[in-house]
Amino acid sequence: EVQLVESGGGLVQPGGSLRLSCAASGFTVTSTYMSWVRQAPGKGLEWVSLFYSGGNTFYADSVRGRFTISRDSSKNTLYLQMNSLRPEDTAVYYCARDFESRDPLTGYYAHYFDYWGQGTLVTVSS
Amino acid sequence: EIVLTQSPATLSLSPGERATLSCRASQTVRRYLAWYQQKPGQAPRLLIYDASKRAAGIPARFSGSGSGTDFTLTISSLEPEDFAVYYCQQRDNWPPITFGQGTRLEIK
Repeated sequence: EVQLVESGGGLVQPGGSLRLSCAASGFTVTSTYMSWVRQAPGKGLEWVSLFYSGGNTFYADSVRGRFTISRDSSKNTLYLQMNSLRPEDTAVYYCARDFESRDPLTGYYAHYFDYWGQGTLVTVSS
Repeated sequence: EIVLTQSPATLSLSPGERATLSCRASQTVRRYLAWYQQKPGQAPRLLIYDASKRAAGIPARFSGSGSGTDFTLTISSLEPEDFAVYYCQQRDNWPPITFGQGTRLEIK
């Protein structure tokens, strides 16, 4: 059974740092793309970062240069190192696994989030 | 960046009625669009991918259609557990991966 369990959230002052973890089971994090998606209180979903299975990483403009996504294959865990935190980073942070769908007409491989963790709340406030 | 605009923002219907939710993209995403359902305090759940394919375990009352810039999620006959927030998401042109702002489906 696929499971994703996030941890590491909490209250931090503006300018501070946190590291979120996402422990995976039922699959290996190196076998697919993995993302972090956040949701500010009462707001919609915002993609934050993605770790490509080949090792490339991608970031939303709002976090580039401050957040770093990484993974540890030995622990089967995805991480999000968050530095220089701002009040607008306050949100529930979800990790999500991609699954791949190949379009037989175009040959394009689209990816969608098929499994999500339960989320961990990050609050940035003085 | 592809912007996804969902309408309406809120939809008020009764159980047993048909729900039609819309998602419009600022440029073509071909058919690479997904729909997610989110209930309060829960993570989103994948309902539809590639515009019209149901994800595993999703009831047949959920269907998706559309291509290019205009997409629709239809729930043929609402069950009490279907009242939630629904998001569309595109995976054609990324990064960034973008979501619509959501449609809240509430009980009338």
